[in-house]
Amino acid sequence: GNSVTQMEGPVTLSEEAFLTINCTYTATGYPSLFWYVQYPGEGLQLLLKATKADDKGSNKGFEATYRKETTSFHLEKGSVQVSDSAVYFCALSGGGRFGAGTRLTVKP
Amino acid sequence: EAGVVQSPRYKIIEKKQPVAFWCNPISGHNTLYWYRQNLGQGPELLIRYENEEAVDDSQLPKDRFSAERLKGVDSTLKIQPAELGDSAVYLCASSSSGNRDSGYEQYFGPGTRLTVT
Repeated sequence: GNSVTQMEGPVTLSEEAFLTINCTYTATGYPSLFWYVQYPGEGLQLLLKATKADDKGSNKGFEATYRKETTSFHLEKGSVQVSDSAVYFCALSGGGRFGAGTRLTVKP
Repeated sequence: EAGVVQSPRYKIIEKKQPVAFWCNPISGHNTLYWYRQNLGQGPELLIRYENEEAVDDSQLPKDRFSAERLKGVDSTLKIQPAELGDSAVYLCASSSSGNRDSGYEQYFGPGTRLTVT
């Protein structure tokens, strides 16, 4: 069945550091891929998405590219801020499959 | 546009008691999901509806959990009887299966935090 494997955290970075959170998936067909974010005390919200191979999703300085050949959708940001501290989830469409989440803490 | 509405936001019950959660999805969204999220983990799908039909309930513990989505809009998730291990946040989400361009992104409600004592 469909599944998502996400880099385990927690991840702690200094402000302005480069961020990568790895995500790989197993799926039949051609799912859409998502990154959701959960800020402290808030609900899950969509960060970015990609609906087909080689698509790049981007939002708030974050990017992720849908790589069908490596079945990956790694999340990146060139310069993180304290306000990026949150839990990040990689997810597939259709079956509601989510990764375990990666907690990011950014220190000033 | 109103978001996904869930109630109650918090619930504390004693074990062996019943509990029910309610969800009102975004208008026009025909796909509805119920998830359970344990502390420090990702959401775990319990059941997915397409309109009134439960199309994926493979992870729903059917001995104590039940769900319904009458008229393909609102949904209720019930636990009877509750156990200590059911303490978690129960999330409802909805998406529009008619919009392929959206990738079927899900919109989440605020969740119900259940504590079983």
